[in-house]
Amino acid sequence: EPEVTQTPSHQVTQMGQEVILRCVPISNHLYFYWYRQILGQKVEFLVSFYNNEISEKSEIFDDQFSVERPDGSNFTLKIRSTKLEDSAMYFCASSEATGYSNQPQHFGDGTRLSIL
Amino acid sequence: EDQVTQSPEALRLQEGESSSLNCSYTVSGLRGLFWYRQDPGKGPEFLFTLYSAGEEKEKERLKATLTKKESFLHITAPKPEDSATYLCAVRPSGTYKYIFGTGTRLKVLA
Repeated sequence: EPEVTQTPSHQVTQMGQEVILRCVPISNHLYFYWYRQILGQKVEFLVSFYNNEISEKSEIFDDQFSVERPDGSNFTLKIRSTKLEDSAMYFCASSEATGYSNQPQHFGDGTRLSIL
Repeated sequence: EDQVTQSPEALRLQEGESSSLNCSYTVSGLRGLFWYRQDPGKGPEFLFTLYSAGEEKEKERLKATLTKKESFLHITAPKPEDSATYLCAVRPSGTYKYIFGTGTRLKVLA
């Protein structure tokens, strides 16, 4: 069964450094998402992306965050200058379509980001 | 404010002991309600989508139902391999995002 893949599985970074998290969505999917889950807390929406632009973002997704689809298969999340509070599990998700249809979002297994 | 509340936080069942998990939601128009299973260290795995009150979906030992205010995930005769965290999420109308509850941690004992 097709799946969303994320790399790396664990990233350790010094505070203030830039980090890029990578995702390969399911190949025929058109909508892409990033969520995060701080340890012991709920999964939180960060951003959605369609047709090479951000379609929606949360208040968490400030100027330190950016997303990109650099080629036909990868979808990345960049954090420019990491803070301690960015430590979390970051999940990428993709869906076939949205709008008036309700194709579910399918999630990868996440990247655990640890900021030192 | 859109909100999802799941109960109980944790549930221990004996193998074969059926039970239900609850997801209550407050949302400004519901585009869909989604149930996911999450194993430790893994991402949420999609189980069901429910669109409208009265709808039911089934898969093996799991059955999901939906009313205007809440959804239930019924687990019939659970097995140890059903042990996981079960997450409920809603998609409000006019948005792309899912709003998740904190989940129910289910442990099924052999």
